[in-house]
Amino acid sequence: DIQMTQSPSTLSASVGDRVTITCRASQSINDWVAWYQQKPGKAPKLLIYKASTLESGVPSRFGGSGSGTQFTLTISSLQPDDFGTYYCQQYNSYYSFGQGTKLEIK
Amino acid sequence: QVQLVETGGGVVQPGRSLRLSCAASGFTFSRHGMHWVRQAPGKGLEWVAVIWYDGNNEDYADSVKGRFSISRDNSKNTLYLQMNSLRAEDTAVYYCARKGLRSFDAFDIWGQGTRVTVSS
Repeated sequence: DIQMTQSPSTLSASVGDRVTITCRASQSINDWVAWYQQKPGKAPKLLIYKASTLESGVPSRFGGSGSGTQFTLTISSLQPDDFGTYYCQQYNSYYSFGQGTKLEIK
Repeated sequence: QVQLVETGGGVVQPGRSLRLSCAASGFTFSRHGMHWVRQAPGKGLEWVAVIWYDGNNEDYADSVKGRFSISRDNSKNTLYLQMNSLRAEDTAVYYCARKGLRSFDAFDIWGQGTRVTVSS
């Protein structure tokens, strides 16, 4: 099974900050990575697929990068609505999610 | 609009069965693979099962293999999850999710979830 390890587990940042969340895969998964945002009591929402492609309708301040085993989600200028928990997911071999990064706005 | 709506959750005793449904609308259901994903209280996301667009293939997480069965009825635009021999650790919100075509198989549409509680 492929394990996805996210860091940090929690993150507190201010509006306007640049925020980076990292995900490491236990083996190479090429670029079969997606990122999701989940707000309390709501379903996850797809942000990024194929490691770096922005889903339609997602603000351009969100960006993804990486390949192989190291992946990054970046929010270029944090907005108040960006609070929530972020998950990476690999879909190279079956499916598995990272443990999540809870993002709080200072 | 494109929508997935899960139903069928509830409180069930350990060892009993439950069937979840996911009604799809606003898109051509028969063109998309579909997944079930669950989230235990206060925990992260766990993939549960997938079924191919035509229903001819399916696969499961080890944690549910042999107990859960995914199926679909393309004539009714509905996805199902039959859950047997339920355990306390199956307690979770269960989401159905669409395998995206444009998104290279990432899960592009999710339902609102249905809560399953396994307790005596």
